[in-house]
Amino acid sequence: SQQGEEDPQALSIQEGENATMNCSYKTSINNLQWYRQNSGRGLVHLILIRSNEREKHSGRLRVTLDTSKKSSSLLITASRAADTASYFCATANQAGTALIFGKGTTLSVSS
Amino acid sequence: SQTIHQWPATLVQPVGSPLSLECTVEGTSNPNLYWYRQAAGRGLQLLFYSVGIGQISSEVPQNLSASRPQDRQFILSSKKLLLSDSGFYLCAWSVLRARRNTEAFFGQGTRLTVV
Repeated sequence: SQQGEEDPQALSIQEGENATMNCSYKTSINNLQWYRQNSGRGLVHLILIRSNEREKHSGRLRVTLDTSKKSSSLLITASRAADTASYFCATANQAGTALIFGKGTTLSVSS
Repeated sequence: SQTIHQWPATLVQPVGSPLSLECTVEGTSNPNLYWYRQAAGRGLQLLFYSVGIGQISSEVPQNLSASRPQDRQFILSSKKLLLSDSGFYLCAWSVLRARRNTEAFFGQGTRLTVV
C-alpha cells in the first residue's frame, strides 16, 4: 500500500529557480527519506530526516518535516539542468522492515 | 565499500517463459533485501523483502516469487511470464539500526519487456 504521496506530480522550472516538492504520509514514522531517480536508473538516496527533526540541509537541498501534518517538503535551491530527475519520498512500512515509496515528482529544469 | 549488482540490464522474454533476475550485494552482511517494480512513469511497488536467508515476505500477490539462497543474494523468479509482468525491476538493500530503516541502496535496474 502507498505510504507517501508526492505533489506535484510534475514540475517544470528554469535554471536558477527553486523547486519545492511535497510529500504526505499516513502513519507514524521514525524517519522519512528522499530519493532521486534519473531516467531509467536506480534510485539514489538524498537525505534522511528523523521524526524528532524539523529541518535538515544538505548542500542545495533543504528538507522539512511536520509530523503533526504528516508531511514533508524537499526544496532544491538554485536549480540546475542536472537536477532534472524524479524525486521520491519514502517511509517504513508498519512492520518497519521495508521502505514504501510515493509515486514521485518529475522535475524538469530547463536552461 | 558496499556495492550492489543487478543483472541483466534489459531483458525481452516471450509470454509463458520463465524468469530469473539476480541481485548480489558486496561489502555488508545480513542486509535487508528488496525487490521493487516500477511501471512506466509510476512509483515503486514493493514486491518482496527479506530480512534473512530463506526469509521472504511478499507484499503483493502475483505471478512472481523470490528466494534468498545466500545472505547477499536475492533472486526474483517466475515460472510463466505474463504481459503484465513487464516493467522496471529494482533490487535494493538496507540495514536496520536500532530497529529503524536507514538509507536504501539500489541496483541499476532491469528493464523487462514481455512480448
